[in-house]
Amino acid sequence: QKEVEQDPGPLSVPEGAIVSLNCTYSNSAFQYFMWYRQYSRKGPELLMYTYSSGNKEDGRFTAQVDKSSKYISLFIRDSQPSDSATYLCAIRNAGNMLTFGGGTRLMVKP
Amino acid sequence: EAGVVQSPRYKIIEKKQPVAFWCNPISGHNTLYWYLQNLGQGPELLIRYENEEAVDDSQLPKDRFSAERLKGVDSTLKIQPAELGDSAVYLCASSAGGAGGNEQFFGPGTRLTVL
Repeated sequence: QKEVEQDPGPLSVPEGAIVSLNCTYSNSAFQYFMWYRQYSRKGPELLMYTYSSGNKEDGRFTAQVDKSSKYISLFIRDSQPSDSATYLCAIRNAGNMLTFGGGTRLMVKP
Repeated sequence: EAGVVQSPRYKIIEKKQPVAFWCNPISGHNTLYWYLQNLGQGPELLIRYENEEAVDDSQLPKDRFSAERLKGVDSTLKIQPAELGDSAVYLCASSAGGAGGNEQFFGPGTRLTVL
């Protein structure tokens, strides 16, 4: 079993839809929970990160962490075609080492 | 501010040939990472440098892979000889560390195809 599991998709939604992306993890020692966005032929870029259980909002994006069930989510409101990308969840330990999920490919259709 | 620079962006070689990738991190970033990203997968760490020192290379296949970071700035990752299974994207990332923060900034990657 991988330390971080993520549904590979692809996930196809119409423009304006609410998108829900999810990951599960196995190691309780992980401290930071990150979401990266990766456009085709580009490197990953950090979208959001959270430290504790609960929600964190940034514009149209909301990151949610449930440490009791080892479950993290990213919600995108009013999705746009420009949101079409691969979304990678990543968990960071105290030594700044990242463990990535496999990524979910999202397509937002106009 | 310039981001992480990698070259070449694309490389096609035949198996058993050597290949090298170059990375220039963001100015002032002490920590440099090399990741391997297979198609449809997330990045996996190969090696991490703190300045010139490789502090985590446990995932680097040392029989054919080598890396160096001379003077604690640029870094080179080499594969010799390349195998078909090495076809992937090789990502470089850097972070400032300390008071500068731990966020890792990624370059665009080098896409390697081994024929």
